[in-house]
Amino acid sequence: QTVVTQEPSFSVSPGGTVTLTCGLNSGSVSTNYYPSWYQQTPGQAPRTLIYSTNTRSSGVPDRFSGSILGNKAALIITGAQVDDESDYYCVLYLGNGISVFGGGTKVTVL
Amino acid sequence: EVQLVDSGGGLVQPGGSLRLSCAASGFTFSSYAMSWVRQAPGKGLEWVSTFGNSGTYYADSVKGRFTVSRDNSKNTLFLQMNILRAEDTAVYFCAKRERQPYYFDYWGQGTQVTVSS
Repeated sequence: QTVVTQEPSFSVSPGGTVTLTCGLNSGSVSTNYYPSWYQQTPGQAPRTLIYSTNTRSSGVPDRFSGSILGNKAALIITGAQVDDESDYYCVLYLGNGISVFGGGTKVTVL
Repeated sequence: EVQLVDSGGGLVQPGGSLRLSCAASGFTFSSYAMSWVRQAPGKGLEWVSTFGNSGTYYADSVKGRFTVSRDNSKNTLFLQMNILRAEDTAVYFCAKRERQPYYFDYWGQGTQVTVSS
């Protein structure tokens, strides 16, 4: 069974930088998995941040960026703001119509 | 403007059935794959199903119990959920899935499904 792994939580100071990662239990994450990232606050629908590894969705501030770091996909928040306190989910596309979400990372800004 | 409006949730007993709907507007509905994603209370997001150009796809947790369908004439996506279990309790979101690179670019507001006796 394919499992997508994310850190459960991260804390960052306002103005600081945090790197969230997205791994695969069965191997390395590459651009072929089309990693995407979503932000969600409690009670709200997810918001699309990044797709195709590093492309920002329309209206997403440039303090959010995506990349491949080593064998994982990464979401980097540079200059974190209080409003960035949210849950963040990565998704990998496995092919044949199947997508898998990671377990999510809760980011606290304080 | 793209809009997705989810509806049809409610309280149902274990073993029961429910049909969710997602009304879409603001884009050419028939040209895009559409998906369902759910979130159990206090848990993360889970992909449930996709109705794509090449067929329908399901997570193992719902395969054989849930059926996704669409009516392109009414710009509506459906999820027929049968043999419901307590662990199916969740908020269900529909999402528009962009073609390659296969990501979810728009989301509905979600509809609550509670399976309980």
